Amino acid sequence: AQTVTQSQPEMSVQEAETVTLSCTYDTSESDYYLFWYKQPPSRQMILVIRQEAYKQQNATENRFSVNFQKAAKSFSLKISDSQLGDAAMYFCAYRSPFSNSGYALNFGKGTSLLVTP
Amino acid sequence: DSGVTQTPKHLITATGQRVTLRCSPRSGDLSVYWYQQSLDQGLQFLIHYYNGEERAKGNILERFSAQQFPDLHSELNLSSLELGDSALYFCASSVGDLAGTDTQYFGPGTRLTVL
Repeated sequence: AQTVTQSQPEMSVQEAETVTLSCTYDTSESDYYLFWYKQPPSRQMILVIRQEAYKQQNATENRFSVNFQKAAKSFSLKISDSQLGDAAMYFCAYRSPFSNSGYALNFGKGTSLLVTP
Repeated sequence: DSGVTQTPKHLITATGQRVTLRCSPRSGDLSVYWYQQSLDQGLQFLIHYYNGEERAKGNILERFSAQQFPDLHSELNLSSLELGDSALYFCASSVGDLAGTDTQYFGPGTRLTVL
């Protein structure tokens, strides 16, 4: 099974600043999907951004962007102009395109992001 | 709001009991996934249903079972509950693209506490 590693249990950023959350994964597959989900204190899992491995262009969603390095198996999330509402647990997830995986998401342990005024 | 609904929001029960968690997917979604989030195990995939049929099992205990009904809602049944089953249980749904390209949207979860 693929392993997803988030090496930063906690991160802190000041409002309006930029922060980068790290994620690495281990896979022998050449095609796959990567996701970042946000879990605020409400516990709702919210999709932040998605990246297809066959696309070289890094995904961007407003203030959120990724740095996808396929050879290095790295998928970091950059949050620009951080806002208080960005404070949450962030999970990186891997998904195989093959049916024998059940298309299930394989999650990292998460990074808790604190945003200070 | 993701469009996925789960009931109940909270459930408190005793060891040895049986509970049923319910999930209604987004309109038009054929796939339903169940995940368990606990402090020690993190987020784990339990089971996937597509249009009423079981597609894949993950780390689901034999005491747990699920089904998806013709109206596409799903139920997760947990029996002979143990203290360690206390967790947040999420349901997620997706369109059900069998090429695996679709995105999963999560419900608000059911918080299960076993005393």
